[in-house]
Amino acid sequence: EVQLVESGGGLIQPGGSLRLSCTASGFTVSSNYMNWVRQAPGKGLEWVSLIYSDGSVDYADSVKGRFTVSRDTSKNTIYLQMSSLRVEDTAVYYCARGSTSHHHKVLNFWGQGTLVTVSS
Amino acid sequence: DIVMTQSPDSLAVSLGERATINCTSSQSILYSSNNKNYLAWYQQKPGQPPKLLIYWASTRESGVPDRFSGSGSGTDFTLTVSSLQAEDVAVYYCQQYYNILTNFGGGTKVEIK
Repeated sequence: EVQLVESGGGLIQPGGSLRLSCTASGFTVSSNYMNWVRQAPGKGLEWVSLIYSDGSVDYADSVKGRFTVSRDTSKNTIYLQMSSLRVEDTAVYYCARGSTSHHHKVLNFWGQGTLVTVSS
Repeated sequence: DIVMTQSPDSLAVSLGERATINCTSSQSILYSSNNKNYLAWYQQKPGQPPKLLIYWASTRESGVPDRFSGSGSGTDFTLTVSSLQAEDVAVYYCQQYYNILTNFGGGTKVEIK
């Protein structure tokens, strides 16, 4: 069964750092295109980052230089290292798999999300 | 950047009636070399992650009921629910994946009248 489980969210002060994890089961993250998408409370969806199967990465302009995505193939897990956090980074962060049969940014499977709250 | 604009922000439809959601992109997302529109639609029910409904503007994802259909080309797109069911109450998002940096529309909330 395909499953994505995010963890690592919590309350953090502005300027702080946090690392989110997304552990996959039922498929191999290194063979897929893994995305992070966030949703501020009561708001819409914002794509954050993508790690391609070849290990290359893309970021939204809003997080470039502050967030870093990586993966650990031995743990079948991807990470989102967030630094210099701002109040506006408060959101539920979803891990989502990009389709390998349609397009890598068509997100055909999502985790349940983890909440990050940036507040003093 | 491509801006995705959805309308209306919300709509209330009677059970069994048609719901129509519009999505407009600020520039064409039709790729001429393959004649495909780089647009997807997602459904998000309360307390759940989004679910892929449609990609390439009009291709239904496996398992999605055929009352959901997508249409349009270039810059103007529509998601239609032909006969609204109670379980279709949700927020619907369009997404362009034409650009390297993908982005979503603001969402349309569908409720029962």
